[in-house]
Amino acid sequence: DAMVIQNPRYQVTQFGKPVTLSCSQTLNHNVMYWYQQKSSQAPKLLFHYYDKDFNNEADTPDNFQSRRPNTSFCFLDIRSPGLGDAAMYLCATSRDLGVGEETQYFGPGTRLLVL
Amino acid sequence: SQQGEEDPQALSIQEGENATMNCSYKTSINNLQWYRQNSGRGLVHLILIRSNEREKHSGRLRVTLDTSKKSSSLLITASRAADTASYFCATDRGTGNQFYFGTGTSLTVIP
Repeated sequence: DAMVIQNPRYQVTQFGKPVTLSCSQTLNHNVMYWYQQKSSQAPKLLFHYYDKDFNNEADTPDNFQSRRPNTSFCFLDIRSPGLGDAAMYLCATSRDLGVGEETQYFGPGTRLLVL
Repeated sequence: SQQGEEDPQALSIQEGENATMNCSYKTSINNLQWYRQNSGRGLVHLILIRSNEREKHSGRLRVTLDTSKKSSSLLITASRAADTASYFCATDRGTGNQFYFGTGTSLTVIP
């Protein structure tokens, strides 16, 4: 089945230790997103890729970086995780239809714990 | 913030009852979508309603949209315990591939 896969499902890291979260998709969608979701809050868009074009949200901290080496894979790098970065990180994809009706397909998320 | 607001924040009903949740947003939209999130999981798309539509149905789901009031509602009829989840509305930003998510409604359906 076509899907969005995130690994690992749970990630524990130490304060200040770089961590990378992975996302892959078999949907061949050209748009990929990373969201941060804290407990009982709405998903907050960090950035997205439109094909290879990177689009950063204005309020995304510099501590968060992303790479998209090919259509299928996208990575979220947190250079120096702080306690406030503990959250669920959601990867999503969509196919740009050019008609403003794109829906997003989400992965199961990676829950990050910072010790 | 451009995020939508949803109410109620939490809703608890008995199985078989109907559940209604509301979403209000701030800017003009092309479409509004509803997503569902089971605890600790990713979001799943439920339904999309265009700005020129007033009502849409999908199975037990009924969505309405009032662009003059910048609000939408999601009705789940004949609820089931499996409907227990958080429900989020999402509005486009006009670019077609970016969205604002609302604050969500946590629905609990008691068997």
